[in-house]
Amino acid sequence: KAGVTQTPRYLIKTRGQQVTLSCSPISGHRSVSWYQQTPGQGLQFLFEYFSETQRNKGNFPGRFSGRQFSNSRSEMNVSTLELGDSALYLCASSHPTEGTQYFGPGTRLLVL
Amino acid sequence: GNSVTQMEGPVTLSEEAFLTINCTYTATGYPSLFWYVQYPGEGLQLLLKATKADDKGSNKGFEATYRKETTSFHLEKGSVQVSDSAVYFCALPGVTGGGNKLTFGTGTQLKVEL
Repeated sequence: KAGVTQTPRYLIKTRGQQVTLSCSPISGHRSVSWYQQTPGQGLQFLFEYFSETQRNKGNFPGRFSGRQFSNSRSEMNVSTLELGDSALYLCASSHPTEGTQYFGPGTRLLVL
Repeated sequence: GNSVTQMEGPVTLSEEAFLTINCTYTATGYPSLFWYVQYPGEGLQLLLKATKADDKGSNKGFEATYRKETTSFHLEKGSVQVSDSAVYFCALPGVTGGGNKLTFGTGTQLKVEL
């Protein structure tokens, strides 16, 4: 079974721009969670989507948003990029009953 | 919410040495506990998990036992290899029974030398 896929793998943007990252979960997984990983703050939870609805939200500004489609694929968007948004963004999906999260390879975003 | 404390790294060991990475947690109830591993330039891989007290998770020679008396979930391996060099994260749900929001430790970098 294919794992979690994320596109693009690498991205370079400039301050003020916006970016959209995509995540395709493992087949049959309906929950998708997003995390930000930085050297200073470590791994921080952004939000979780289940059946196209946001179920959990972390402590990030409104510039960070997401959505989930009917096929469980998810996107996250960051508007008005800041230098501090440079990070590895990880997506994870989980099985409806098992609950264990499986991660994708991540999208590395560099904001210049 | 739940939280986890993990030993600081980096940890440098010689090949075939014994590994212990300490992890202690604070939680309401008895949530599942996880160890994830991150190899350079990659995402997180689930290494092992335990879903209830006294459970032992194991995979690829790594083991961890869910000890509710000491609120610990230490990771151990009897003989490390160079290929085990990576960053290891201890994790648990941010809120017991509260969906898929994981709280992670700060990560412990392991370097194994020949």
